[in-house]
Amino acid sequence: EDKVVQSPLSLVVHEGDTVTLNCSYEVTNFRSLLWYKQEKKAPTFLFMLTSSGIEKKSGRLSSILDKKELFSILNITATQTGDSAIYLCAVEASDSGTYKYIFGTGTRLKVLA
Amino acid sequence: DSGVTQTPKHLITATGQRVTLRCSPRSGDLSVYWYQQSLDQGLQFLIQYYNGEERAKGNILERFSAQQFPDLHSELNLSSLELGDSALYFCASSGRGEAFFGQGTRLTVV
Repeated sequence: EDKVVQSPLSLVVHEGDTVTLNCSYEVTNFRSLLWYKQEKKAPTFLFMLTSSGIEKKSGRLSSILDKKELFSILNITATQTGDSAIYLCAVEASDSGTYKYIFGTGTRLKVLA
Repeated sequence: DSGVTQTPKHLITATGQRVTLRCSPRSGDLSVYWYQQSLDQGLQFLIQYYNGEERAKGNILERFSAQQFPDLHSELNLSSLELGDSALYFCASSGRGEAFFGQGTRLTVV
């Protein structure tokens, strides 16, 4: 059975701290791994990773994928209160010619001022 | 704006009732996914449609059903509602690449 596991489940830090969020997966027909940020409503897309070892970066956020060990990390440096959200990891897998997404349960990050 | 539209935004209904949630995907996207998110929980995959056909099923109850119409919009039907069905229901669509989410429908069963 395909599964995506995120850790930790919840994290509380102070502004300025650096956090690392983990995502491990067991999926057949892996295509890509995606990170989303969910604040109040709909998840918004952050990164898509398809190749091992290539870091994707956007401002203070960065992510990398290890396809051999089947995991990804999302780093946030110099955290701000606006980073408080649920961070979702999803794996895209091919399935009979189409694609499906398997989501982890998310990591809830709270950044204190 | 992701381009995925869900209606209604909020829905309050009594136990035992039936509701229909509607989703219009981004223009050109053939795949539609439905997810359920209960309070403080992650996204639970319910069902996927591709160009009008069911492609994958997740943890969808028998009381729930969905369909995708020729114009590619999708509806999720929830019947014999129970208190535990109260949740945020998301629709997402994709073409090639990442999935884009609608703003969700918050269902409250009282």
